[in-house]
Amino acid sequence: AQSVTQLGSHVSVSEGALVLLRCNYSSSVPPYLFWYVQYPNQGLQLLLKYTSAATLVKGINGFEAEFKKSETSFHLTKPSAHMSDAAEYFCAVSDQGYSTLTFGKGTMLLVSP
Amino acid sequence: DGGITQSPKYLFRKEGQNVTLSCEQNLNHDAMYWYRQDPGQGLRLIYYSQIVNDFQKGDIAEGYSVSREKKESFPLTVTSAQKNPTAFYLCASSPGTGLYGYTFGSGTRLTVV
Repeated sequence: AQSVTQLGSHVSVSEGALVLLRCNYSSSVPPYLFWYVQYPNQGLQLLLKYTSAATLVKGINGFEAEFKKSETSFHLTKPSAHMSDAAEYFCAVSDQGYSTLTFGKGTMLLVSP
Repeated sequence: DGGITQSPKYLFRKEGQNVTLSCEQNLNHDAMYWYRQDPGQGLRLIYYSQIVNDFQKGDIAEGYSVSREKKESFPLTVTSAQKNPTAFYLCASSPGTGLYGYTFGSGTRLTVV
């Protein structure tokens, strides 16, 4: 069975600082990996995805993530935080061939001026 | 524009009543899903359907029911058997494989009064 662990339920950064949100997964087969963002009282929006192509994946709003098989990680980064990045971020995994996604518990990103 | 529409956005239910949450998509996606979101618990899968007239239980199906009579529609009924129904409910769809991830609706917040 697949699972996702997001380290830190809350992460606080200053505007302009590096954003690093951690995600580790377990999967019995090479996975598909996703990062989603959720603003208050809204649905989830896809930021980026890894599907066995390049290990460094670039997404929307300046975010990127690197797939590291040896570490079973897919951490999300952004060089410089903006106030508008404050939201909840979810990492998700899907085994190849299966359609359901398993989500982590989410990390709330707080950005201070 | 294609997307997923959930209605209503806010719903109040008296204890002992059944309520139905609507989810409609015009993306021509084969698969549809219902997730429940509670603070600090991430997203938990209730039911999913990969084809019309077929659906499978997710991790927390007790107290819920669904139907999939049309490709575009996947309504969720929260029955009186669900002991703690107050939550944010998210509907999603996908082309059917894990490769693409999901497209989400904007959610329905259900409150038991």
